[in-house]
Amino acid sequence: DQQVKQNSPSLSVQEGRISILNCDYTNSMFDYFLWYKKYPAEGPTFLISISSIKDKNEDGRFTVFLNKSAKHLSLHIVPSQPGDSAVYFCAASAGGFKTIFGAGTRLFVKA
Amino acid sequence: DVKVTQSSRYLVKRTGEKVFLECVQDMDHENMFWYRQDPGLGLRLIYFSYDVKMKEKGDIPEGYSVSREKKERFSLILESASTNQTSMYLCASSPSGQGFYGYTFGSGTRLTVV
Repeated sequence: DQQVKQNSPSLSVQEGRISILNCDYTNSMFDYFLWYKKYPAEGPTFLISISSIKDKNEDGRFTVFLNKSAKHLSLHIVPSQPGDSAVYFCAASAGGFKTIFGAGTRLFVKA
Repeated sequence: DVKVTQSSRYLVKRTGEKVFLECVQDMDHENMFWYRQDPGLGLRLIYFSYDVKMKEKGDIPEGYSVSREKKERFSLILESASTNQTSMYLCASSPSGQGFYGYTFGSGTRLTVV
């Protein structure tokens, strides 16, 4: 029972264009949502988060959108850069200590 | 620079061996976690701890145990390693009230059981 789903295993985008990574969740009790970025041979690094009381959070080139009615969130990267090529994990937490991660989406940004 | 350090990057162990994976954090975080990462499955929580000597089962605790004798150290133990425990193991820590803060992860230990 996957509570956090990333249905696209991979995404390819041209440098300078927008990258949109999507995530769906099933548990309406989740109150924090996070995105992590992972390079090969490294641990994931925290990228950006959003509380369930908000619908948008922006940090530089990265924006996360939350649609609670659809139980959907997305990460927008504008403009995309080759250094953004990595695996992106969507994650959700229900106010406790457990964070549930999605399977990840591998982003390729072509120069 | 804050850090979560995992003692080994790569390990090869034989079936039936007892395996210890060590994790140390220098951020005085209360919470520590062990995840395993497998292709197509993302990160799955094995065990976590919110205080010294406290532990809670995650989603896939079978075949594993943990130890947290000191705040900065969280060890994962494979009592009798099996081939289906071949995976990337990731340790993480966070302060209490982790909500927005996210986790700080170590670089991971790639364990191969043969």
